[in-house]
Amino acid sequence: NAGVTQTPKFQVLKTGQSMTLQCAQDMNHEYMSWYRQDPGMGLRLIHYSVGAGITDQGEVPNGYNVSRSTTEDFPLRLLSAAPSQTSVYFCASSSEWASGSHEQFFGPGTRLTVL
Amino acid sequence: AQRVTQPEKLLSVFKGAPVELKCNYSYSGSPELFWYVQYSRQRLQLLLRHISRESIKGFTADLNKGETSFHLKKPFAQEEDSAMYYCAFSIGAGANNLFFGTGTRLTVIP
Repeated sequence: NAGVTQTPKFQVLKTGQSMTLQCAQDMNHEYMSWYRQDPGMGLRLIHYSVGAGITDQGEVPNGYNVSRSTTEDFPLRLLSAAPSQTSVYFCASSSEWASGSHEQFFGPGTRLTVL
Repeated sequence: AQRVTQPEKLLSVFKGAPVELKCNYSYSGSPELFWYVQYSRQRLQLLLRHISRESIKGFTADLNKGETSFHLKKPFAQEEDSAMYYCAFSIGAGANNLFFGTGTRLTVIP
């Protein structure tokens, strides 16, 4: 199993450009999420999904869109990139259990720079 | 608001010395607490969770609800423990969303 994969690994954008960060998992996990990590800060949740067709906002959703058409894929879209979106982006997935803790499996990250 | 505080950005200890990474949380309910670790050139991965009450790689962490703390401890640090450590919590069973601290970079000096 590849686990959680993210593409691209690095990306440079100009202000106002749009792009999509790709995330895929092959573990049949229901739950997927996107986090961003800025220097000196912890990971902050952008959007998440509890299953195909279901998405919701996290702590810092502004400027980002998501969709979940399949269980495997959870792309993150930046419609009009801004320098404030320069960050490292992590995708994560976990299984849905009836109770108990949910181990999150993280992708390798995408380092995005907006000029 | 929910918050996780890791007061030490950097922590250096000598090999064989005890290590404690501090974590305090702010949440009025009953959270689930985790420690995640990122070794050099590797992905962020789960180290341990309070609900399992387990010891992983010699590390333990006890949830102290009175002090709202979840400090990570190891009696004898090893060089391979050098990594970035993040404390995180979710707001309970069935909730997957994680709130992360800012992390502590542990360096074990040979």
